[in-house]
Amino acid sequence: GQNIDQPTEMTATEGAIVQINCTYQTSGFNGLFWYQQHAGEAPTFLSYNVLDGLEEKGRFSSFLSRSKGYSYLLLKELQMKDSASYLCAVTDSNYQLIWGAGTKLIIKP
Amino acid sequence: NAGVTQTPKFRVLKTGQSMTLLCAQDMNHEYMYWYRQDPGMGLRLIHYSVGEGTTAKGEVPDGYNVSRLKKQNFLLGLESAAPSQTSVYFCASSLELAAYNEQFFGPGTRLTVL
Repeated sequence: GQNIDQPTEMTATEGAIVQINCTYQTSGFNGLFWYQQHAGEAPTFLSYNVLDGLEEKGRFSSFLSRSKGYSYLLLKELQMKDSASYLCAVTDSNYQLIWGAGTKLIIKP
Repeated sequence: NAGVTQTPKFRVLKTGQSMTLLCAQDMNHEYMYWYRQDPGMGLRLIHYSVGEGTTAKGEVPDGYNVSRLKKQNFLLGLESAAPSQTSVYFCASSLELAAYNEQFFGPGTRLTVL
């Protein structure tokens, strides 16, 4: 079967750095997305990786290793507004999106 | 631009009742999607559309029907609601296939079926 694994919940301190991991087992791979979802709101797009390596976008970076079936989202200089759920989604060989259950990130002062 | 809008925002139904959720987008996107989101689970695709007049089944289509009569609108219908359909429903749209394109989501509809 197809599976996306993310930690259910993580806690970090304001101003610090946090890494949210995502591992996947899917029938083929055609890209990986990260979305942010604040409580009670809609998901919003953060990043899309299709090639191995690190992509940086301001305070957020996303890394992909296709050979390991692994990605992480790195958040730097954490702010209270970064408290949200972070959703990992993978496109399989049939171009279907498989979503993880999300990681709830709690930021403490 | 309003982006993607959904109506209603909240709804409570009794088992067996029917309702229609409306999604509208003003970005001229071809692709539109209906998802449900349940605690502890990833987003699950119910139905999607690749253009006006087209619809297709997603991962969990049973108990739902959809229509896309106009490019900007995508309707999700529940003919006979069941408690298992209690969920948060999100509509989304994308310029190209969501498999490799950013999706824009609506604010969601919180549905409770008693």
